[in-house]
Amino acid sequence: DQQVKQNSPSLSVQEGRISILNCDYTNSMFDYFLWYKKYPAEGPTFLISISSIKDKNEDGRFTVFLNKSAKHLSLHIVPSQPGDSAVYFCAASVADSWGKLQFGAGTQVVVTP
Amino acid sequence: EAGVAQSPRYKIIEKRQSVAFWCNPISGHATLYWYQQILGQGPKLLIQFQNNGVVDDSQLPKDRFSAERLKGVDSTLKIQPAKLEDSAVYLCASSLSGQNYEQYFGPGTRLTVT
Repeated sequence: DQQVKQNSPSLSVQEGRISILNCDYTNSMFDYFLWYKKYPAEGPTFLISISSIKDKNEDGRFTVFLNKSAKHLSLHIVPSQPGDSAVYFCAASVADSWGKLQFGAGTQVVVTP
Repeated sequence: EAGVAQSPRYKIIEKRQSVAFWCNPISGHATLYWYQQILGQGPKLLIQFQNNGVVDDSQLPKDRFSAERLKGVDSTLKIQPAKLEDSAVYLCASSLSGQNYEQYFGPGTRLTVT
């Protein structure tokens, strides 16, 4: 069963605008959430994370928002740059699971000039 | 700091053949993960090692897949015999410990089974 869902397989955004990526989850035991970024022919690289005790975490152009009641998180990229064109994966973990991550299917972001 | 190394990068085999993948994690990382990523899907955990012991292999098809991590460092993942549905990218990742959620991924091995 897919416990982490990214329902938008692709997103196209103009350079300088905001990119908003969404992720929904079904397991209420998840307490840590991460976003990974993946370029073609490379492994995913860690981008930003958030603990379930917070509702927002910001790192430069990247902000992650967590809405526990809705079991929903989002990643905002402001402003979007051409180098942000990649596949973004949402992942989640349960405490005491030895860091086991469940990944969503990913969202392909294309930033156009 | 050197990243996670994997080899080979690409492999093409026929069904029913066997194949092995190698992973060298970041130095000092106690936890090692093998993921399978099928086209259009997110990575799925196959097996997780803490040092040289298995922590989770609940999603490893044990009738054909095997993995080992000797001396708590390098790891190999083997498929024998391969099926068409095993075509995927196999990713190795490592982290400082199982309680550290940030995992560092290697470039992966793209396996095509014909």
